[in-house]
Amino acid sequence: NAGVTQTPKFQVLKTGQSMTLQCAQDMNHNSMYWYRQDPGMGLRLIYYSASEGTTDKGEVPNGYNVSRLNKREFSLRLESAAPSQTSVYFCASMGGLGSYEQYFGPGTRLTVT
Amino acid sequence: QKEVEQNSGPLSVPEGAIASLNCTYSDRVSQSFFWYRQYSGKSPELIMSIYSNGDKEDGRFTAQLNKASQYVSLLIRDSQPSDSATYLCAARRAGGTSYGKLTFGQGTILTVHP
Repeated sequence: NAGVTQTPKFQVLKTGQSMTLQCAQDMNHNSMYWYRQDPGMGLRLIYYSASEGTTDKGEVPNGYNVSRLNKREFSLRLESAAPSQTSVYFCASMGGLGSYEQYFGPGTRLTVT
Repeated sequence: QKEVEQNSGPLSVPEGAIASLNCTYSDRVSQSFFWYRQYSGKSPELIMSIYSNGDKEDGRFTAQLNKASQYVSLLIRDSQPSDSATYLCAARRAGGTSYGKLTFGQGTILTVHP
């Protein structure tokens, strides 16, 4: 099992450009999450999907959109990138049914110039 | 007040010693707690979860939870240089629309020196 995978690993964007970060899990988990990690700010939740077909805002959703494409895939879209979105982005998944453990993907390091 | 607080460190311990990492939380309805290890440039890796008051042991790691004091700790016995990393504490709020959402502390940097 690959666990949680993310693409791309690195990305450089110019201000105003758009892009989609991809995340997939092969653990048959119900819930999926997008976090960003910034120095001094810790991990902050952007959006989550408790189950296929549902999405909800987290702590810092402004400037982002998400799509839960199916049970395996959860994508994060930046419509018009800003330098403040320079960060490391992590996707995570959680099995549910009494297990609340989240497992993280390897991350995407995004720089917006 | 931050919801989950950790001493940022760095905490430096000699090889073979016990490293003690602490975390406090402010939300009394938090029910589940997690410790993640994060090496520099890598993603967080789950090492322990604890849901009930008391101790939970897994190899060299022991998690301790005291809900009355709103306190969680992680003990690492026989610390090794490979344990040098940032340790993140996370809390999950129970039920409702906050299903599964974790709140993370800032992390404690641990350095184990030979």
